[in-house]
Amino acid sequence: DIVMTQSPDSLAVSLGERATINCKSSQSVLSSSKNKNYLGWYQQKPGQPPKLLISWASTRESGVPERFSGSGSGTDFTLTISSLQAEDVAVYYCQQCYSTPITFGQGTRLEIK
Amino acid sequence: QLQLQESGPGLVKPSETLSLTCTVSGGSISSSNYYWGWIRQPPGKGLEWIGSIQYSGSTYYNPSLKSRVTVSVDTSKDQFSLKLTSVTAADTAVYYCARHGAYCTGVTCYLRYFDSWGQGTLVTVSS
Repeated sequence: DIVMTQSPDSLAVSLGERATINCKSSQSVLSSSKNKNYLGWYQQKPGQPPKLLISWASTRESGVPERFSGSGSGTDFTLTISSLQAEDVAVYYCQQCYSTPITFGQGTRLEIK
Repeated sequence: QLQLQESGPGLVKPSETLSLTCTVSGGSISSSNYYWGWIRQPPGKGLEWIGSIQYSGSTYYNPSLKSRVTVSVDTSKDQFSLKLTSVTAADTAVYYCARHGAYCTGVTCYLRYFDSWGQGTLVTVSS
């Protein structure tokens, strides 16, 4: 199984500041033949199901604000929120779909400082 | 707008079988481009993929649960279901159903991201 490890486990950022969440996979999730990273990011607010924010490591889903961006390749990935808003308080998960079983990171809790 | 809704008992006794159904509305379950999956989340913890099924009946399971899990589909009702046998307290969780994309080539499908989710249902295993 590919193990996904996120850091930090929790993060407190001031409103309007940048938030950065890291995700590391135990093996590469980059397909060299397709030049795609099989890595997604989800946002889960309290009492709600997760919501897909980013697929293919850096492609924002329709309707996701531009302040959310994804980067990285191979085994190391980053989710960045450029200017934190109050509604961004949530737990964020990375997920690999390079191989089954599909696996998720343990989650990073993002709060307002 | 696609909607998914989980249904089933909220309380299951240890050693018994957990059974849930997901009803899909606002779209058809019969698309070769999608699989329909189950994911669970123990209280206060992270996400675990359980298994997924296509309308054709093709399934993929998490090996950690495979011996106890069956996912089935009923295309006439736009529903898919989860059965988890021999449950213990460790199976207490919010269970989500979700749709995810798939890329299929030949007989092999590659599962992708979960783009639509149900609201989830809490299942507690307790006597």
